[in-house]
Amino acid sequence: NAGVTQTPKFQVLKTGQSMTLQCAQDMNHEYMSWYRQDPGMGLRLIHYSVGAGITDQGEVPNGYNVSRSTTEDFPLRLLSAAPSQTSVYFCASSYSSLGPEAFFGQGTRLTVV
Amino acid sequence: GENVEQHPSTLSVQEGDSAVIKCTYSDSASNYFPWYKQELGKRPQLIIDIRSNVGEKKDQRIAVTLNKTAKHFSLHITETQPEDSAVYFCAASTGNQFYFGTGTSLTVIP
Repeated sequence: NAGVTQTPKFQVLKTGQSMTLQCAQDMNHEYMSWYRQDPGMGLRLIHYSVGAGITDQGEVPNGYNVSRSTTEDFPLRLLSAAPSQTSVYFCASSYSSLGPEAFFGQGTRLTVV
Repeated sequence: GENVEQHPSTLSVQEGDSAVIKCTYSDSASNYFPWYKQELGKRPQLIIDIRSNVGEKKDQRIAVTLNKTAKHFSLHITETQPEDSAVYFCAASTGNQFYFGTGTSLTVIP
């Protein structure tokens, strides 16, 4: 049982480049989400999904796209990277947004230069 | 949307003392309140949670209290140990989204 697997762990991008952060879970969780973590700002929700084929915007969605074609996978796409997107990104999954458990991936430290 | 405020931002306690972290929320529709511990360079991990139909929940040295009327909830850690040193986040969920506090950096001094 791997839990939530998030890749890559580190990434450096040039401004304007695009990339996809991968997230997969093997717990058959319906709810998956992406957060960014910046110093002094806690975790902020980017996008979330309540099930396959359903996605919605969170607090800070601009510059990011997501899709949920399967229950297991929830990739996050950066369309045209900007220095303001330098952050640590976490994927998370849970049975539902009402708990009882939320599992986080290991995180991706992204630097945009 | 929901606004979660967390205090204090930093907290230092002597080993064996208690630590209390407080959070307030703005949306009365929030009904699930988890707490996470994040060690340096690691992922957040759920340590305890409480639902809106419960006023208090305890798990060994950790307890959480919820006051729905005042819209605040608190984390209590008793008999603190050096391994409790970490950043703690509170969160509130209205049903589809989690809103996190800005975190409390707890240092337990041996």
